[in-house]
Amino acid sequence: NAGVTQTPKFQVLKTGQSMTLQCAQDMNHNSMYWYRQDPGMGLRLIYYSASEGTTDKGEVPNGYNVSRLNKREFSLRLESAAPSQTSVYFCASSELGTASLTFGSGTRLTVV
Amino acid sequence: QKEVEQDPGPLSVPEGAIVSLNCTYSNSAFQYFMWYRQYSRKGPELLMYTYSSGNKEDGRFTAQVDKSSKYISLFIRDSQPSDSATYLCAMRRVDFGNEKLTFGTGTRLTIIP
Repeated sequence: NAGVTQTPKFQVLKTGQSMTLQCAQDMNHNSMYWYRQDPGMGLRLIYYSASEGTTDKGEVPNGYNVSRLNKREFSLRLESAAPSQTSVYFCASSELGTASLTFGSGTRLTVV
Repeated sequence: QKEVEQDPGPLSVPEGAIVSLNCTYSNSAFQYFMWYRQYSRKGPELLMYTYSSGNKEDGRFTAQVDKSSKYISLFIRDSQPSDSATYLCAMRRVDFGNEKLTFGTGTRLTIIP
């Protein structure tokens, strides 16, 4: 099915470990986003890429880095995981200038 | 104060009832208003998208926007068990040339057969 694909779906990390969350979309969208979702906090934007070759910080960027590898792929890296980064991470994409986002199914990350 | 406030629920109603979900906001710069539906362990999916004040209908769903009161609603008629999900409101504004999308925290809805 067309859409946004995230890998992995689940991950458990130890404090201090690093990992990269992968995201790919096949809708030819220009803009891509990484959100985290926590109980009572809603969806919070970590980083976004308005178009290929650009990335910008969102509301909660500390502890994360991103790479827009090409138009299809946008990865999120945790260099040194902390328990506060335990969350569900969603990747999304959209056409530039619209707020109609298509989300992936999420990555459930636990940092112990 | 959060820019967007949404009652987290949970909300349980019997099948066939009319459901009303609401959000309030504080920033009058918001121009576009959306409702996303999120099933358990899935990503949110766009349900309704409105721009102006007034009502927009799509099947059993009606989105209502009242910009003067800074209040938006989603009504679900003839609710079905398959409507059980978390509903998130979202609002978009342009801030110094940058688009900003703000989500509510979501209302968990259960339709009881």
